[in-house]
Amino acid sequence: GQQVMQIPQYQHVQEGEDFTTYCNSSTTLSNIQWYKQRPGGHPVFLIQLVKSGEVKKQKRLTFQFGEAKKNSSLHITATQTTDVGTYFCADNYGGSQGNLIFGKGTKLSVKP
Amino acid sequence: GAGVSQSPRYKVTKRGQDVTLRCDPISSHATLYWYQQALGQGPEFLTYFNYEAQPDKSGLPSDRFSAERPEGSISTLTIQRTEQRDSAMYRCASSWDPTDTQYFGPGTRLTVL
Repeated sequence: GQQVMQIPQYQHVQEGEDFTTYCNSSTTLSNIQWYKQRPGGHPVFLIQLVKSGEVKKQKRLTFQFGEAKKNSSLHITATQTTDVGTYFCADNYGGSQGNLIFGKGTKLSVKP
Repeated sequence: GAGVSQSPRYKVTKRGQDVTLRCDPISSHATLYWYQQALGQGPEFLTYFNYEAQPDKSGLPSDRFSAERPEGSISTLTIQRTEQRDSAMYRCASSWDPTDTQYFGPGTRLTVL
């Protein structure tokens, strides 16, 4: 079935360093959603990418969708301790149906 | 309501017992989802409802798992004859419709001894 692979599994950075997590699929993705889950918290929606090659920015966060719609990335510039958490990508499998296929997430820790 | 709520927040049960988990979605949200999240993993889809209808049960691991949403608002997830491998966080999410943003609840942490 549809699988979404996410790398790296863990990332430890010094505050102020950049961070990138990658999401890959062997098949074409319907659209990609990104979520952040703080330690002990629940997934919180960040953004959705729909179009091939789409790039969206939210302050220090930059989201990209690959031209072939088989990969996506989330880049955080100048990390802060508030960025700590697990970042998940999710494919909106089937498009109109809505059930999400999540990657395993990248756990980010930021050393002050 | 202000957000998705779930109860109980924690449930410890013995193997073989039945458990029922509850989800109260954001009012006016037509679509409700159930996910299972193991420690260190992403949420895995179990089933979803559009109002009372349950178009997709494909993620339910076995026939011991069932879900209801009889009046199109509150939903319950029931696990019969629980097994240790059922231990996980069970998350509910709701959205305005299947194409809209999903809002997750705090989850129910189920531990089967």
